[in-house]
This record gives sequence, C-alpha cells and structure tokens, in this order.
Amino acid sequence: DVKVTQSSRYLVKRTGEKVFLECVQDMDHENMFWYRQDPGLGLRLIYFSYDVKMKEKGDIPEGYSVSREKKERFSLILESASTNQTSMYLCASSVSNYGYTFGSGTRLTVV
Amino acid sequence: DAKTTQPNSMESNEEEPVHLPCNHSTISGTDYIHWYRQLPSQGPEYVIHGLTSNVNNRMASLAIAEDRKSSTLILHRATLRDAAVYYCILRDNNNAGNMLTFGGGTRLMVKP
Repeated sequence: DVKVTQSSRYLVKRTGEKVFLECVQDMDHENMFWYRQDPGLGLRLIYFSYDVKMKEKGDIPEGYSVSREKKERFSLILESASTNQTSMYLCASSVSNYGYTFGSGTRLTVV
Repeated sequence: DAKTTQPNSMESNEEEPVHLPCNHSTISGTDYIHWYRQLPSQGPEYVIHGLTSNVNNRMASLAIAEDRKSSTLILHRATLRDAAVYYCILRDNNNAGNMLTFGGGTRLMVKP
C-alpha cells in the first residue's frame, strides 16, 4: 500500500516562529499536495507540486511556502506562524490521474 | 468548476445498506465522479470513482444516472467503522492540472 507519512501528528508553536511540516511518500508519485482543514470550511488546497522543484499555488497560499527538493518529500513552511494558521494540515500524493492518498494529518496549534 | 450537492448528514442502522446521493447537474463530459471518505481523526481515503458505467469494488458500489447528473454511493452493509464524512467530487481525469476540490460532504452516522 502507498504510504504518505507526515512527520508530526500534533504540533504546538509560538506566534512568529518558522514552522516546517514534512511529508514523505514511498511510491514514487509525481504529484504532491498540501491542504488545510478547518471546521465549516472543509479542505482547502494550499500548494501542490507536479515534480521536483516545481510548485503551484492552490486556493489559499498566503502565509505559506513549499519546498520539493526530492520526489518523495514535500515540505510546507510557515514563515512566521500566526494564530489563524492553527488548523489540521493534510498532505496527499497521486500518480497523474489516479486517486489521491492522504497522510493522517498534522494538527498544528499556534499560541 | 462543476459543483456537487450532498445532504449534510445521514443516519443508517448497522448491517443495513446505505445509499449516499450526490447531485452534479453541471457535470461535463470529461468529468469523473470520485468518492472519498474521511474517518474521524484521519485523512480522507479514496473509495471509488467512475465515468458512465456503474462501478464496484471491495469497499462500495457507485451507481451513475444515465444522464450523469447524479450518482449514488452504495455501502452494501454498513458497519460502525463506516461512520465518516463522505465526499463526492468531480474531477477531469484527462487534465492533470485539475485538482480535487472538496465540498462539505455527507456525515454518515451508523447506529448499532
């Protein structure tokens, strides 16, 4: 089975800190995605990547950046964490037109 | 983007079949119908997808209306572990740039 692993299940950070959320997939998928999920707002796409060193903005990229230096790893970076970035963050990967595989999520709290 | 409409919530009894409806009246000819579900405290997981014909897999069946303006996800025998939010999503599988866009989904509650 394809596995998408997110490095932390729960994270607490302070306002203004630089935060790295890591995601690794083990099936050589080209595409990787970062979503955030908030009550009443559902899942919203932050950034995605089709290939190494490639990135595209999703629906809500403000306050975030990403890095994809290796095919299997896609990092989400909060340059200066704010309380409104408290959320559940979900990473996913896919091969071209097939189904997405999601990680279990990282629940980030910014205090 | 073509949108889908699903009921906010549904209830089912354990071991009974469940029919989860989805309306997508603005579906285009190249849109596939995808279903995902999200168990509590988990990321979404793929359930099934189809284009025109009905589809079956080990998790569920997908019944697609002849005009493709609606579809139904069928769980043949609900278990307590099927309690989840079910998302119906349209995606143009021929367009690699077309992302999965999640709506509100249907929260399925299964009663013992």
